[in-house]
Amino acid sequence: DTAVSQTPKYLVTQMGNDKSIKCEQNLGHDTMYWYKQDSKKFLKIMFSYNNKELIINETVPNRFSPKSPDKAHLNLHINSLELGDSAVYFCASSRGQRSTNEKLFFGSGTQLSVL
Amino acid sequence: GEDVEQSLFLSVREGDSSVINCTYTDSSSTYLYWYKQEPGAGLQLLTYIFSNMDMKQDQRLTVLLNKKDKHLSLRIADTQTGDSAIYFCAERDILTGGGNKLTFGTGTQLKVEL
Repeated sequence: DTAVSQTPKYLVTQMGNDKSIKCEQNLGHDTMYWYKQDSKKFLKIMFSYNNKELIINETVPNRFSPKSPDKAHLNLHINSLELGDSAVYFCASSRGQRSTNEKLFFGSGTQLSVL
Repeated sequence: GEDVEQSLFLSVREGDSSVINCTYTDSSSTYLYWYKQEPGAGLQLLTYIFSNMDMKQDQRLTVLLNKKDKHLSLRIADTQTGDSAIYFCAERDILTGGGNKLTFGTGTQLKVEL
C-alpha cells in the first residue's frame, strides 16, 4: 500500500492549458504539502494544508490553486500553464504535530512538461 | 529568510566514507533532517537530529551538528553503489497554524564509483 500517492506520474501538455494533479495519503496525517522541484533539483514549498485549512502559501502565482476536500487529499490545479511551470511536483504529508519530531512522507512525484 | 546550502557534487569510491556538508541560517531550527532522493523517486527520510544534540549515529550514518557555526554533516561509512543519490538537508520551522515547514538545501549528488 503506497502511503502517499499522486497521479499522474507524468503530465505533458501545451502552454495555456489547465491541468490538475491529485494526491492522497492513507497515513491518517493531518498535514499535507505541495513542493516544486526544478531542473536543478532545488525543492521549494508551495502550499501546506492542516486539516483542510491552508497554512502555508508561499509566493506562488494565482494560477496555482490547491484544494483539500478532506484531510487525506490535497489536489493541485494549475490554470494557463506556462513553460516555467515545467518541474517535478511532490506531494507530502506529516502528522502535523508541532511539539514533536515531524517526518514528512513524500509521494513519488509528478513530472510536468509544458510544451 | 532561510537559506540552506550544500555542495552540489561528491564522488567517492565504494567502501570509502562519504561526508556531505550543509550550512543553514535559521538558528531557531529545532530539528534538522537528511533526506535521500533516488532517480525518479520522492524523498525518503534518512535520519534527523534534534538541535540540542551534537552527534547522532544510526548504523552506517553519523550526523554531526555544530550549532554555533550552523553546520550539519552526514557521514556515510562504507559507502555502497546503492548510496548513489541526491542528499538533501532540511531545517524545520514550526508554524503557529499547525504543521511544519521544511526548508530544503540545494541537494548534493553523491556518486559512488567502483
